[in-house]
Amino acid sequence: QVQLQESGPGLVEPSGTLSLICSVSGASISVDNWWSWVRQPPGKGLEWIGEIHHSDRTNYSPSLKSRATISVDKSRNQFSLKLTSMTAADTAIYYCADSIGRYSLDYWGQGALVTVSS
Amino acid sequence: EILLTQSPGTLSLSPGERATLSCRATQSVSSTYLAWYQQKPGQAPRLLIYGASNRATGIPDRFSGSASGTDFSLTISRLEVEDFAVYFCQQYGTSFYTFGQGTKLEIK
Repeated sequence: QVQLQESGPGLVEPSGTLSLICSVSGASISVDNWWSWVRQPPGKGLEWIGEIHHSDRTNYSPSLKSRATISVDKSRNQFSLKLTSMTAADTAIYYCADSIGRYSLDYWGQGALVTVSS
Repeated sequence: EILLTQSPGTLSLSPGERATLSCRATQSVSSTYLAWYQQKPGQAPRLLIYGASNRATGIPDRFSGSASGTDFSLTISRLEVEDFAVYFCQQYGTSFYTFGQGTKLEIK
């Protein structure tokens, strides 16, 4: 079974850029899956950020498309998220997730809390 | 953009009772693209149902999903203590996902 693990800084300064990595184990990132990022502000609901296929095809949420970039590193079996122009409103738990082709997010990482503060 | 509205916001029931959670879409959504998740405090969401009515691997058969037009339901036939959590519906349309705001299922 696939396992996902987020890593990255827990604190980002306002106007800075968030960089997160999702390490995938138990499966190759080069299979025909889509790999997503989802976030959840503390105590609130879920917001999908975007997804990537190993072929480098990407899809993004319209509301975050201008600030988000998702990329894949097949050699490391990882994918990553960059989110620019961070504000306090971007404070959230960031999850990576895997879709195996059923239009659902089948496997999730444990999440990484990112706080935007100076 | 299709929006999903879940109701009720909070549902208070006792173990052993039946729970029915609702998710209504603002436009037609194919059943293929509708999923349900369970989230417990401090944990990541867990996929329960995909394709509106298909249980994910390892999900007990007391969980079931159904669809009728723009209305989708998640039913838990007989609540167990571990079922008290927050539930989200999700749809996939035009190459992006959206979620409902969630229903909190709490012990009465």
